[in-house]
Amino acid sequence: DQQVKQNSPSLSVQEGRISILNCDYTNSMFDYFLWYKKYPAEGPTFLISISSIKDKNEDGRFTVFLNKSAKHLSLHIVPSQPGDSAVYFCAASGGNYGQNFVFGPGTRLSVLP
Amino acid sequence: DSGVTQTPKHLITATGQRVTLRCSPRSGDLSVYWYQQSLDQGLQFLIHYYNGEERAKGNILERFSAQQFPDLHSELNLSSLELGDSALYFCASSVDGDTDTQYFGPGTRLTVL
Repeated sequence: DQQVKQNSPSLSVQEGRISILNCDYTNSMFDYFLWYKKYPAEGPTFLISISSIKDKNEDGRFTVFLNKSAKHLSLHIVPSQPGDSAVYFCAASGGNYGQNFVFGPGTRLSVLP
Repeated sequence: DSGVTQTPKHLITATGQRVTLRCSPRSGDLSVYWYQQSLDQGLQFLIHYYNGEERAKGNILERFSAQQFPDLHSELNLSSLELGDSALYFCASSVDGDTDTQYFGPGTRLTVL
């Protein structure tokens, strides 16, 4: 049973527009969420995080929104750049998992010039 | 460069064999995590060590084992290898193993023939 879901395997966006990547989770005990970006042949790199006491966290072009009642979070990238093309993983921790993260399957973002 | 190193980068071996993957965490990080990423799958948490002690186990097979040494580097041992063990194995490190950012190494690609 996949506790962290990213239902869009891929997403294409025009350069300069907004990219919205979505993530849903099933475990209501999760209380900390992260987004990672992964380029081919590299390890994932941390992008942005949010704890369940907040509903929004912003860092430059990246904003993460958390809707606890819907068990949904989203990553907004504005404006999107070709260098943002990568696979984005959503991860959650908390509850029985403690500080260990459960990752979603990832969404491949392609930003078209 | 995350500061986490993994060796080897690539490993090709045969079924039934045993291999050892090595990870050196970032300087000062006490926690090491191991993840497996199979083709088109998300990251699966395997095991977490903190300052030499096993802290948590995820979906790690009994054929797999890991340890963290006094100098904080870690090794993941995979034995009786099967074709399905072919995957990318990532190591990540963090400062103390609470809900803080994990920094990922570049991964070891294991191919079992």
